[in-house]
Amino acid sequence: SQQGEEDPQALSIQEGENATMNCSYKTSINNLQWYRQNSGRGLVHLILIRSNEREKHSGRLRVTLDTSKKSSSLLITASRAADTASYFCATVGGGTALIFGKGTTLSVSS
Amino acid sequence: DGGITQSPKYLFRKEGQNVTLSCEQNLNHDAMYWYRQDPGQGLRLIYYSQIVNDFQKGDIAEGYSVSREKKESFPLTVTSAQKNPTAFYLCASSMGVGAEAFFGQGTRLTVV
Repeated sequence: SQQGEEDPQALSIQEGENATMNCSYKTSINNLQWYRQNSGRGLVHLILIRSNEREKHSGRLRVTLDTSKKSSSLLITASRAADTASYFCATVGGGTALIFGKGTTLSVSS
Repeated sequence: DGGITQSPKYLFRKEGQNVTLSCEQNLNHDAMYWYRQDPGQGLRLIYYSQIVNDFQKGDIAEGYSVSREKKESFPLTVTSAQKNPTAFYLCASSMGVGAEAFFGQGTRLTVV
């Protein structure tokens, strides 16, 4: 079962624009994490937000979490061509491994 | 350098053969995971291990087997019982289950 579902599946923007992708999940969580994957490579951890946090920032990344709606969003500000990648949310329930969604493919053109 | 290493990067297998994918980490992490990724898809959990000599099935464990005899190593065997093994396999580790995960670069398995 895939806990998280990202939306949209694909997103194309111009350099300098902001990119927003959303993640919805089904059951209660301990934390929610966002990862990035360049084509054909492993995943890289971006940010972790705990269930008692509502917003978190890391550089050009801003993550929000709404546990009442079981949703999270990832905002990348001032996108660059190098941000082109797939982005996944992953959730952690009680004592279980990370469960990933299907991802959003972001394409940033210069 | 600290990290997680998967080998080989590419692997070809004939139908009916078992094959073992290697995953080694020197991060002193307790938890290790195996995921499968199909084209355009997310990651699906095969097995995970929270501690040496213990592991749990994930969502798609059928046709796979693992062992965790050492903290550093978590090999995955794709058996002939796995009907559609061609995929990209990713290994990861973390301090504990649910903590930030570090991924290897993956093994692309093709059945020929």
